[in-house]
Amino acid sequence: KQEVTQIPAALSVPEGENLVLNCSFTDSAIYNLQWFRQDPGKGLTSLLLIQSSQREQTSGRLNASLDKSSGRSTLYIAASQPGDSATYLCAVSQVGANSKLTFGKGITLSVRP
Amino acid sequence: EAQVTQNPRYLITVTGKKLTVTCSQNMNHEYMSWYRQDPGLGLRQIYYSMNVEVTDKGDVPEGYKVSRKEKRNFPLILESPSPNQTSLYFCASTPLGPYNEQFFGPGTRLTVL
Repeated sequence: KQEVTQIPAALSVPEGENLVLNCSFTDSAIYNLQWFRQDPGKGLTSLLLIQSSQREQTSGRLNASLDKSSGRSTLYIAASQPGDSATYLCAVSQVGANSKLTFGKGITLSVRP
Repeated sequence: EAQVTQNPRYLITVTGKKLTVTCSQNMNHEYMSWYRQDPGLGLRQIYYSMNVEVTDKGDVPEGYKVSRKEKRNFPLILESPSPNQTSLYFCASTPLGPYNEQFFGPGTRLTVL
């Protein structure tokens, strides 16, 4: 059974810091990995999608990497801002599991001004 | 604008009173699904549908029903809600095939008293 882990559960950093959010998964037979952002009480906003054949994807200040063989992904946020404060979730689409996403529990990020 | 919409966004009800949460997408996606999000448990799939009149159970289907009579709509039905169904519910859609980005609705916060 696929398990997705995000550690730590919460992170607080000062504004301007570059930071890395980690995601690990137990079964490397995945189609893709997707990073989401969730603001309190709000929906999920897709940030980046990495296909299993890709190593990384970039969007603005965000860069996501994928090492499928070791079951790890990282989300790099450059020059963090208070507006980046949110919960970040990673999810994998696993081979043989229709298009179901298996989610980690998320990392709640707080960027202090 | 491409989007997934859900209604209502917030609902407080009492045990046993049937309710329906609607979900609609305007992207002509074949695949739609429902998730619930609970503290400490993350997001879990309730039901999914691969096309019109094709639905199947996810990981936590007990107490829920769905229907898919039209491609754009995928309502979630709680025939006899119970307090353990108090949760934040998300609808998602994606084109058929496991490599595609998934899009989520804004969420419905349900409280069952």
